[in-house]
Amino acid sequence: QKEVEQNSGPLSVPEGAIASLNCTYSDRGSQSFFWYRQYSGKSPELIMFIYSNGDKEDGRFTAQLNKASQYVSLLIRDSQPSDSATYLCAVNLMGRSQGNLIFGKGTKLSVKP
Amino acid sequence: NAGVTQTPKFQVLKTGQSMTLQCAQDMNHNSMYWYRQDPGMGLRLIYYSASEGTTDKGEVPNGYNVSRLNKREFSLRLESAAPSQTSVYFCASSEVRQGNQPQHFGDGTRLSIL
Repeated sequence: QKEVEQNSGPLSVPEGAIASLNCTYSDRGSQSFFWYRQYSGKSPELIMFIYSNGDKEDGRFTAQLNKASQYVSLLIRDSQPSDSATYLCAVNLMGRSQGNLIFGKGTKLSVKP
Repeated sequence: NAGVTQTPKFQVLKTGQSMTLQCAQDMNHNSMYWYRQDPGMGLRLIYYSASEGTTDKGEVPNGYNVSRLNKREFSLRLESAAPSQTSVYFCASSEVRQGNQPQHFGDGTRLSIL
């Protein structure tokens, strides 16, 4: 099993819809979870982080963490064409990479006008 | 506030040439990182520096060396460039190397090796 897995997409949603991005991770002891947005040709930009089980909301973005099931998700409400980007999930794994982040390969989101 | 600054932004090398990628941060962060990003491979950690004076290997260190020059600067050197090192290189920094500290990225260096 890969350490951090994301569906590569592309995930296509209409403008105004909810986009749901998912990420699973292998190490049950992981404690920190991050979502980055990366526009084509640009660098990753931090948009959300979550440490505790449950939901964390920031504007149109909601991060959801379920440690028992080892998944973290990102919901984007009222999706806009400007949200079209690749979304990277990053996890602090407590094993050999303790202290470093392991990134998923990213999910490409396309929001159609 | 510039954040993390990388130079150069683009570079083309011939196989066997050497070069150093520069990275500087002005956020007073203790930890710095070098990643490479390849299509279909995601971000992979090359080297990191948990604090000034220390460096450690990441997932893909072969063919690279690093220097933590001071708290602000962390450079990545390719001694003898190979086509397999064609990639986009990102430098990042975080307050400390703890799992709950987010990393902030520079704009990247696009490196092509012919």
